[in-house]
Amino acid sequence: NAGVTQTPKFRVLKTGQSMTLLCAQDMNHEYMYWYRQDPGMGLRLIHYSVGEGTTAKGEVPDGYNVSRLKKQNFLLGLESAAPSQTSVYFCAVDAPTSYEQYFGPGTRLTVT
Amino acid sequence: GENVEQHPSTLSVQEGDSAVIKCTYSDSASNYFPWYKQELGKRPQLIIDIRSNVGEKKDQRIAVTLNKTAKHFSLHITETQPEDSAVYFCAASMNTGNQFYFGTGTSLTVIP
Repeated sequence: NAGVTQTPKFRVLKTGQSMTLLCAQDMNHEYMYWYRQDPGMGLRLIHYSVGEGTTAKGEVPDGYNVSRLKKQNFLLGLESAAPSQTSVYFCAVDAPTSYEQYFGPGTRLTVT
Repeated sequence: GENVEQHPSTLSVQEGDSAVIKCTYSDSASNYFPWYKQELGKRPQLIIDIRSNVGEKKDQRIAVTLNKTAKHFSLHITETQPEDSAVYFCAASMNTGNQFYFGTGTSLTVIP
């Protein structure tokens, strides 16, 4: 039982490159979230999903896209990376009957 | 949207002393207030939470209080230990499946 996993753990991109971050869960939870964490800014929600095939914008969605084709996976895409997207990205999941969000281990992304 | 403010941003205490971290929120519809602890390089983990129908909740050395009228809630850690050193985040949420609004974090250092 791995809980919530994220791939990759680290990545360095050049400006303009694209990449996809994968969040996978084996908890069978409906709700999944993508956050970014920057120094002094706390955790800010990028996009979230309340079920397979559904997505919604969070607080800071610009420059990112997401997809939830399977219940257990939530993908975060950067089509054209910018230095402002240098951050640590966390995925989280929770269930309709529970408020607690379980976080993945994070992905450290650097855009040069 | 909701706005959560957290103070102080840094806090140093001597081992054995108490630590208090305070948060305020803006939206009276928020009804769930979790506190997360994040150790260096690790994922945030829930340590305690409170719902709006409760004024105080305690779990061993950790307690949370909520004042709905004033829209503020606080984390209290008693008999602090070096392993309490971490960044603590408060958050507010309205319902499951809705986004959490996080505070900007408090870096707590417990001096042995």
